[in-house]
Amino acid sequence: SQQGEEDPQALSIQEGENATMNCSYKTSINNLQWYRQNSGRGLVHLILIRSNEREKHSGRLRVTLDTSKKSSSLLITASRAADTASYFCATADSGSARQLTFGSGTQLTVLP
Amino acid sequence: GAVVSQHPSRVICKSGTSVKIECRSLDFQATTMFWYRQFPKQSLMLMATSNEGSKATYEQGVEKDKFLINHASLTLSTLTVTSAHPEDSSFYICSARDLGRGGYEQYFGPGTRLTVT
Repeated sequence: SQQGEEDPQALSIQEGENATMNCSYKTSINNLQWYRQNSGRGLVHLILIRSNEREKHSGRLRVTLDTSKKSSSLLITASRAADTASYFCATADSGSARQLTFGSGTQLTVLP
Repeated sequence: GAVVSQHPSRVICKSGTSVKIECRSLDFQATTMFWYRQFPKQSLMLMATSNEGSKATYEQGVEKDKFLINHASLTLSTLTVTSAHPEDSSFYICSARDLGRGGYEQYFGPGTRLTVT
């Protein structure tokens, strides 16, 4: 079952602006991951943050994790039209770290 | 590295026939592969976990006799949709973990679009 809820469901911004997507989950996790999916394609792993980490950066991506609130956010800075895609968070439970449970996803559109 | 391929990328079949989808890890070994199903504009739903040399573990509500999974080697898992019906039309995606990297990231195939007419 899907435990992750993401908001917003859809986000439309202008090129150069920052995009923030949020993810909430329900269980105790080992780690949380963010993935990107272009329309009709597979998923690309973006970043993983462990349960004992609070913030992580990778290029223009910044991920935060608040385990007390069971939430995470993904910030994409200086967005580009090529960032247009669906973004999913996925959690690996503490008990079964091999499996991922995906959130509902955010459809990001970056307008040129 | 960590490339996963799927074949075919698209398939159209008639109701009642069976379709086999292959998932291969091209440059790493994967004892565990995962099969997901995704409906349009929706998230991925885990169908089953495929373990090399043993039976797959199916998620609740997934018919194991309808979705046959075989993981015969460390680089290949197959999903066979048996007696397909139009409601089986969906986007099927596999993923694999790289044993050598020892991490929790999953590497996804490009997906297979199945249309049952």
